[in-house]
Amino acid sequence: DVKVTQSSRYLVKRTGEKVFLECVQDMDHENMFWYRQDPGLGLRLIYFSYDVKMKEKGDIPEGYSVSREKKERFSLILESASTNQTSMYLCASSFQSSNQPQHFGDGTRLSIL
Amino acid sequence: GENVEQHPSTLSVQEGDSAVIKCTYSDSASNYFPWYKQELGKGPQLIIDIRSNVGEKKDQRIAVTLNKTAKHFSLHITETQPEDSAVYFCADSGYSTLTFGKGTMLLVSP
Repeated sequence: DVKVTQSSRYLVKRTGEKVFLECVQDMDHENMFWYRQDPGLGLRLIYFSYDVKMKEKGDIPEGYSVSREKKERFSLILESASTNQTSMYLCASSFQSSNQPQHFGDGTRLSIL
Repeated sequence: GENVEQHPSTLSVQEGDSAVIKCTYSDSASNYFPWYKQELGKGPQLIIDIRSNVGEKKDQRIAVTLNKTAKHFSLHITETQPEDSAVYFCADSGYSTLTFGKGTMLLVSP
């Protein structure tokens, strides 16, 4: 079974802090994704990566950056956390062939105080 | 995909009834349509998907239909059970990224 593991289920940080969210997958997937999920807005794509050291902006990249130094690991970085970044963050991975299903982790609920 | 509309936003049914969730999309290049189920406290889990060269696909109590001309696709759950209660998301894809609908909260009452 595909396993996508997010390092924290719950995280509380303060405004202005630099925040790192970590995600690891064990299926040798080329693609990895970061989404945020907010009530009434569904899942919105922040960033994705096709390969090591590659990154592409999604629909809402402002205020975020990412890092992919190893194929299995994809990190989301909040450079200077703000209260409007309080949300559920979901990581996903998939094979690179077109139209492959994405497999999700269980999410990190991040609160910025 | 560009935009995916999902309806209804909430759906309440009695156990044993059928449930139908509908999605419309706008991107003519979309050719892959997955459905995800998200239970409380968990990430979305793929339950069924369909590609554009197929009009219908069934897996036990779950089926998905696709009408490419009208640009809409639907999830059908028959003989619903309380454990079907969850939030369901449709999505479409033309390449590697998915565009999600806003979700449908399905409540199945015993």
